[in-house]
Amino acid sequence: NAGVTQTPKFQVLKTGQSMTLQCAQDMNHEYMSWYRQDPGMGLRLIHYSVGAGITDQGEVPNGYNVSRSTTEDFPLRLLSAAPSQTSVYFCASSYGTSSNQPQHFGDGTRLSIL
Amino acid sequence: QQQVKQSPQSLIVQKGGISIINCAYENTAFDYFPWYQQFPGKGPALLIAIRPDVSEKKEGRFTISFNKSAKQFSLHIMDSQPGDSATYFCAAGSGGYQKVTFGTGTKLQVIP
Repeated sequence: NAGVTQTPKFQVLKTGQSMTLQCAQDMNHEYMSWYRQDPGMGLRLIHYSVGAGITDQGEVPNGYNVSRSTTEDFPLRLLSAAPSQTSVYFCASSYGTSSNQPQHFGDGTRLSIL
Repeated sequence: QQQVKQSPQSLIVQKGGISIINCAYENTAFDYFPWYQQFPGKGPALLIAIRPDVSEKKEGRFTISFNKSAKQFSLHIMDSQPGDSATYFCAAGSGGYQKVTFGTGTKLQVIP
């Protein structure tokens, strides 16, 4: 059981480049989300999805796009990378959106923007 | 605006001691309070969670204490072990997990 798989684990980009962070889960979870983790800031929600074809913005959505074409996959796109987007990005999933369902996190993508 | 305030930022505890991490929240609509544990290079993992209708929840060496009137909750780790060394995040949620707000984290080091 792989759980939540994020690729790549590390990435270095130049300012202005675009890229897609991949996230896949094999638990048939409805709810998926993307967070960024910065020192002293905790985890901040970027975008989330409550099912295939349904996405919504979180706390810090600017500069990021998402789509959910399948239950399993929830990619995060950086349209034009900026140094302020240097962070560790975590994808998470849960069976449902009710608060008694724990979120399962991937091991993160460490992204540096030069 | 930080809706969930967590302290301390870092904590060093002797093996066998009690580790205490505190969180305070502002939004009275929060109705679910989980704690996550994160080891270096890994994603956070749910440790224990509590609802506001309960004042305390214990799972093994981990206990959450909840004070609804003060809008505060805390994590107590009894008999702390070096393997407990990790970063701990409190969180608060309402209306499902899409509305979870995390604290800023506490880096715990348990020394032998």
